[in-house]
Amino acid sequence: EAGVAQSPRYKIIEKRQSVAFWCNPISGHATLYWYQQILGQGPKLLIQFQNNGVVDDSQLPKDRFSAERLKGVDSTLKIQPAKLEDSAVYLCASSLGRASGNTIYFGEGSWLTVV
Amino acid sequence: QQPVQSPQAVILREGEDAVINCSSSKALYSVHWYRQKHGEAPVFLMILLKGGEQKGHEKISASFNEKKQQSSLYLTASQLSYSGTYFCGTDTSGTYKYIFGTGTRLKVLA
Repeated sequence: EAGVAQSPRYKIIEKRQSVAFWCNPISGHATLYWYQQILGQGPKLLIQFQNNGVVDDSQLPKDRFSAERLKGVDSTLKIQPAKLEDSAVYLCASSLGRASGNTIYFGEGSWLTVV
Repeated sequence: QQPVQSPQAVILREGEDAVINCSSSKALYSVHWYRQKHGEAPVFLMILLKGGEQKGHEKISASFNEKKQQSSLYLTASQLSYSGTYFCGTDTSGTYKYIFGTGTRLKVLA
């Protein structure tokens, strides 16, 4: 079974530039998450989708971050304009559904450095 | 509210045991445990769904005390491969929003 796919793996941009990350969840997984993980910290939930609808985006900095999940499969996370503090690993994860018993599977992450 | 894990870091010799605690300020529906090695994605270890539930995974087991709003991960006879950062992920009642804990860095020495 294929895992959660993310791209690009690494990205270096200058502040005020824009960047986009792509995620392809495990086939059949209805729930998709984007997490931000700053070095030395635990993953922080940015946004959660159930199929193509947003369940929770309370911690997404909406003035610069946006995410979409068209057709309820792939998802894109965009940052525009980027700030130095956005340097982090952006982890995409998916699960079968929102129920508590469902395992969350993580992708390898997209490493962003803002200079 | 982010769950608090203790200890923040621990160093063990091969064969020693360790306990990692995860405490939440809110009631919990379930607790997940993950291990993350440097530069890699978190890897699922186990889920605990009910208060008082205990689970085992080889030499790694966990308990979930719903009343105390906490979970503990037990590592016995540690191996070099156990090194990494351990995170609990908590689902507070009814939200299905998983919040990860502060993390515990574990280093096993030969």
